[in-house]
Amino acid sequence: QVQLVQSGAEVKKPGSSVKVSCKASGVTFSSLGISWVRQAPGQGLEWMGGFIPVFGTAHYAQEFQGRVTITADKSTNTVHMELSSLRSEDTALYYCASTARLGIEDSWGQGTLVTVSS
Amino acid sequence: DIQMTQSPSTLAASVGDRVTITCRASQSISSWLAWYQQKPGKAPKLLIYKASTLDSGVPSRFSGSGSGTEFTLTISRLQPDDFATYYCQQSNTYSRTFGQGTKVEIK
Repeated sequence: QVQLVQSGAEVKKPGSSVKVSCKASGVTFSSLGISWVRQAPGQGLEWMGGFIPVFGTAHYAQEFQGRVTITADKSTNTVHMELSSLRSEDTALYYCASTARLGIEDSWGQGTLVTVSS
Repeated sequence: DIQMTQSPSTLAASVGDRVTITCRASQSISSWLAWYQQKPGKAPKLLIYKASTLDSGVPSRFSGSGSGTEFTLTISRLQPDDFATYYCQQSNTYSRTFGQGTKVEIK
């Protein structure tokens, strides 16, 4: 069973960057497909991008192209999501989700709250 | 990008009611449609994938149907634990898209 543990809450200034981590267990790195989904307060789910293990690269939502970078560390079975040029609208709960079992987002991390405030 | 439109946005129902939520895709996604349930303060939970396949452990009162551009999630007899927000999601491409959500409230 895939388990995902995310890094802790962050408070950032506008214009800065944030890096959120998602450590996976119960899955091999070669199967470690991870998507990042965010949810602003009181809003719906927004897919940001995902790491595709068969390609070893990431694919990003058009809205976040150029501002988000997803990388994977084989040695620790961890996928990172870095979002740059932060603005107040980026304040949200950021989730990672595994696609290892069914090819879709079937197991989710606990979420990481990122607050952007001056 | 493929757009997903859910209706209604909010639904008020009573325990025991039959509830149906609709999701429409802006272009054909075959059967690459999933449904998630989310409760306040919790991560989404996968209910149904490939339009109609229940994930392990999901009660049989949940069912999904549809293909192409029109999909439905049905809860046959609403239970107290089912009051939550439901999202559809397309996985036809590597770029996923979620619907805007349907909140199922107590009538």
